[in-house]
Amino acid sequence: AQKITQTQPGMFVQEKEAVTLDCTYDTSDQSYGLFWYKQPSSGEMIFLIYQGSYDEQNATEGRYSLNFQKARKSANLVISASQLGDSAMYFCAMPAFNMDTGRRALTFGSGTRLQVQP
Amino acid sequence: DAGVIQSPRHEVTEMGQEVTLRCKPISGHDYLFWYRQTMMRGLELLIYFNNNVPIDDSGMPEDRFSAKMPNASFSTLKIQPSEPRDSAVYFCASSQFGPAGPQHFGDGTRLSIL
Repeated sequence: AQKITQTQPGMFVQEKEAVTLDCTYDTSDQSYGLFWYKQPSSGEMIFLIYQGSYDEQNATEGRYSLNFQKARKSANLVISASQLGDSAMYFCAMPAFNMDTGRRALTFGSGTRLQVQP
Repeated sequence: DAGVIQSPRHEVTEMGQEVTLRCKPISGHDYLFWYRQTMMRGLELLIYFNNNVPIDDSGMPEDRFSAKMPNASFSTLKIQPSEPRDSAVYFCASSQFGPAGPQHFGDGTRLSIL
């Protein structure tokens, strides 16, 4: 069964510095996708970035990039030049196969709370 | 473009009452998802629809929960009767690509059952 693990419950980073949020996964699928979402204190879930397992290059979206290491089954989110507004919960997610229903659904990790300090 | 719109943003009600949460997906998105987020269990998928048809409701906790999608632009999640353990944030999300693709979430409904 697919599984997503985020081992860092909380992280601190100084404003303007880069930070890496860890995500490891376990899957037997040959083709899969990985997602990162941001949840600020206001509560909404914001889609940040997507990486396909067959994409040859690491995904980038503005200050967000994915450090995708397929052999290690990791898809770490890198935020460059941190801003105070980056303080939020960050969730890694991937589609997981439900043996009972035979269907796929997005499964989320437990999240990492990032605090950017001035 | 408007994102996924959920209402209400907050709901406080007494146990035993019926609760109805509403969602308008992004126009053109054929998939709609309902999630529940709690501290103990994180984000859980409750049910999802494709072209207004429920595809997977295996996450619906019990018969007190029901969801409908009468048309492509509207869905409801109903809890009747509500219980304190139903207190959570309920998210609606929509997608063009199905359950394995990127989903766009609404702002959520924070539900408190007293």
